[in-house]
Amino acid sequence: DAGVIQSPRHEVTEMGQEVTLRCKPISGHNSLFWYRQTMMRGLELLIYFNNNVPIDDSGMPEDRFSAKMPNASFSTLKIQPSEPRDSAVYFCASSPRALVSQPQHFGDGTRLSIL
Amino acid sequence: GEDVEQSLFLSVREGDSSVINCTYTDSSSTYLYWYKQEPGAGLQLLTYIFSNMDMKQDQRLTVLLNKKDKHLSLRIADTQTGDSAIYFCAERGATNKLIFGTGTLLAVQP
Repeated sequence: DAGVIQSPRHEVTEMGQEVTLRCKPISGHNSLFWYRQTMMRGLELLIYFNNNVPIDDSGMPEDRFSAKMPNASFSTLKIQPSEPRDSAVYFCASSPRALVSQPQHFGDGTRLSIL
Repeated sequence: GEDVEQSLFLSVREGDSSVINCTYTDSSSTYLYWYKQEPGAGLQLLTYIFSNMDMKQDQRLTVLLNKKDKHLSLRIADTQTGDSAIYFCAERGATNKLIFGTGTLLAVQP
């Protein structure tokens, strides 16, 4: 079975540019999570969706960040404009349902470097 | 608030047992998880335990939960060089979010 698929794997861009990260969850999973991982702050949940609807976006750092899930098989995380402090690894995860018993399955992440 | 803490580093010799510890603060935690992260990869779920259990064993992995002390441990028997990775403890409680620890880097010496 295909796991969670993220693209691109690596992104290097200059500050001020728009960055779009993409995620395809595991088929049949209806909960999707975006995380950010840095050395200083560890793993932080940014936002999660149930059935394509954003449930909790309290982890989104500021208005420059936005996330969408137009359908059950695709989500994007956008940063506009990007800043050097946004450099991190961004993970997408999915689970069958957002119930406490269902573990989350992670993609391999997008390594983002903002120069 | 919710907080999960782990020691940052553990070094063991190949063939020995490894024990990675984790403490958490949320008394309403329902499930606790162990994830493994290898270099350049995402987090791989290793095992999880429901909060009304005190032990779970899965091949070389043993999870112990002391709910009273809010302490979770992961024991890896016969540790191999392929077990070298960062191990994350995570808890899921009333907020329905996963709260991750800082991760423990396990280094296995041949």
